[in-house]
Amino acid sequence: EPEVTQTPSHQVTQMGQEVILRCVPISNHLYFYWYRQILGQKVEFLVSFYNNEISEKSEIFDDQFSVERPDGSNFTLKIRSTKLEDSAMYFCASSRRQGASGELFFGEGSRLTVL
Amino acid sequence: QQQVKQSPQSLIVQKGGISIINCAYENTAFDYFPWYQQFPGKGPALLIAIRPDVSEKKEGRFTISFNKSAKQFSLHIMDSQPGDSATYFCAASILGFQKLVFGTGTRLLVSP
Repeated sequence: EPEVTQTPSHQVTQMGQEVILRCVPISNHLYFYWYRQILGQKVEFLVSFYNNEISEKSEIFDDQFSVERPDGSNFTLKIRSTKLEDSAMYFCASSRRQGASGELFFGEGSRLTVL
Repeated sequence: QQQVKQSPQSLIVQKGGISIINCAYENTAFDYFPWYQQFPGKGPALLIAIRPDVSEKKEGRFTISFNKSAKQFSLHIMDSQPGDSATYFCAASILGFQKLVFGTGTRLLVSP
């Protein structure tokens, strides 16, 4: 069964450092997303991406965050200067279609720990 | 108004019992209501979803009940099994938009 894969599974970084989280969405999917989950809390939407541009973003997704699809398979989330409060599990998701018919498939997540 | 409130926070059910998790929303523009199941160390996986034009949807042991006037929806797990032990999230979104708003999650433990 096709799946969304994410790397790294866990990254530890110092505050102020740049971090890039990588995702390989399911191959025939067109919509890509990043969500995050702070330990013990709910899953929160960060950004959605379609046709090589951001289609929607949350208030969490400030200038420190950026997303990119550098080639035909990878989808990345960059945090330019990490803060302690960026420590969370970051989930990539993809869907083939938009809306209710577009089921989101989530990866297993990348745990980011900022020291 | 974008929040989805979920209860209970945790739930312990005997094997074979019925697990019930409730969610409530305020934004009447929401028109897609999925439930996600998350096992430790894994990403959320879609379990079942409903649109507000029906009041109930059943898939195997899992049923969503939807009350549009009360702006509430619930997940019922019949004949709960230890393998159902996981965290369950309700969510809501507006068709045509891509942002899912998640509830706070319910940690379900089904005791053998």
